[in-house]
Amino acid sequence: DQQVKQNSPSLSVQEGRISILNCDYTNSMFDYFLWYKKYPAEGPTFLISISSIKDKNEDGRFTVFLNKSAKHLSLHIVPSQPGDSAVYFCAAKGDRDDKIIFGKGTRLHILP
Amino acid sequence: NAGVTQTPKFRILKIGQSMTLQCTQDMNHNYMYWYRQDPGMGLKLIYYSVGAGITDKGEVPNGYNVSRSTTEDFPLRLELAAPSQTSVYFCASRPGLAGVYEQFFGPGTRLTVL
Repeated sequence: DQQVKQNSPSLSVQEGRISILNCDYTNSMFDYFLWYKKYPAEGPTFLISISSIKDKNEDGRFTVFLNKSAKHLSLHIVPSQPGDSAVYFCAAKGDRDDKIIFGKGTRLHILP
Repeated sequence: NAGVTQTPKFRILKIGQSMTLQCTQDMNHNYMYWYRQDPGMGLKLIYYSVGAGITDKGEVPNGYNVSRSTTEDFPLRLELAAPSQTSVYFCASRPGLAGVYEQFFGPGTRLTVL
């Protein structure tokens, strides 16, 4: 059973506009959430994270929002740039162990 | 710093063969992880380790074994390769500091079992 769900396999956004990537989770014991970016033939690289005690974290063009009651988080990229075209993974860590569980990923295409 | 290195980059195995995927990190990180990524799927956690001598199962441990005799190395062993183990394998590490959960990933090993 998938604990971290990214229900959109792909997303296309015009360059300069906002990209919004969504993630849902089922385990209420998750206490930390991370977003990773992955280019083809490379390992994922860390992008931004958020603790469950916060509802927003911002780093430059990237903002992550957490809605604990809905078990939902989203990653906003503003403005979107061509180099943002990649696969984005949402990940979550439980408060009782050190496992970090990933979603299936969303492929983001930034259109010129 | 080389970060997290994985060898080999590519490997083709026959059914029933065995092999070890190597993973080394030079950042003195306590925590290390093995994931596999199947086409169109996310990363599935195979095994992880919170320090030398300590390992634990992840989501999909069947068919694999690990050991952690040093802080730097975390090899993944496939004993009897099966076609279902065809995947890209990623190793990752993180410091283990409280409140810091960012993982650093290696470039991956692409394994095909025929």
